[in-house]
Amino acid sequence: KNEVEQSPQNLTAQEGEFITINCSYSVGISALHWLQQHPGGGIVSLFMLSSGKKKHGRLIATINIQEKHSSLHITASHPRDSAVYICAPQGVTIYNTDKLIFGTGTRLQVFP
Amino acid sequence: SQTIHQWPATLVQPVGSPLSLECTVEGTSNPNLYWYRQAAGRGLQLLFYSVGIGQISSEVPQNLSASRPQDRQFILSSKKLLLSDSGFYLCAWISRRGGGYTFGSGTRLTVV
Repeated sequence: KNEVEQSPQNLTAQEGEFITINCSYSVGISALHWLQQHPGGGIVSLFMLSSGKKKHGRLIATINIQEKHSSLHITASHPRDSAVYICAPQGVTIYNTDKLIFGTGTRLQVFP
Repeated sequence: SQTIHQWPATLVQPVGSPLSLECTVEGTSNPNLYWYRQAAGRGLQLLFYSVGIGQISSEVPQNLSASRPQDRQFILSSKKLLLSDSGFYLCAWISRRGGGYTFGSGTRLTVV
């Protein structure tokens, strides 16, 4: 069983739709990151969460530590949101490394 | 401000040739530094991490090596590239004071 499971793997939506991407993990974590990777490969960190909920513009991220589950929501989706979204739990710090464990990503395509 | 520089952006190298990818960070000191690789159609995989000058830990056995000659410089190398070394290489850092990951823009390596 993978340590990080993301769903769905692929997602298509019409512009304006509400998007939800889910992430479940099995390891103990100190934080969880949501990352966005565009077709060129560059990665941008969207959120780092250790509890509760964070909002940035049209993006909302939530985490339930007890259930080991996080969600990323996009309200009023737009074609420019098309990208791969990656869930990356940050392992409990061992030897001060703060290593990330990556999900396989959700490929989102938003059509006009 | 805190930034990370990674170069080159793209590289095409013949099998058996050497490799040197460089990553430098600015605006921070004593960061944890990471090299990740993303093979075509796959998720990110941690290759090396460093918690200080001269301190390198390898996550997976491979044809690559890493060095950290200065606090804010992280180098990925190979003496002889293999076809399987092709992929997208990302450098990243995280501050010891906490906060999110910052990723470099990546190097797309094609071994021919």
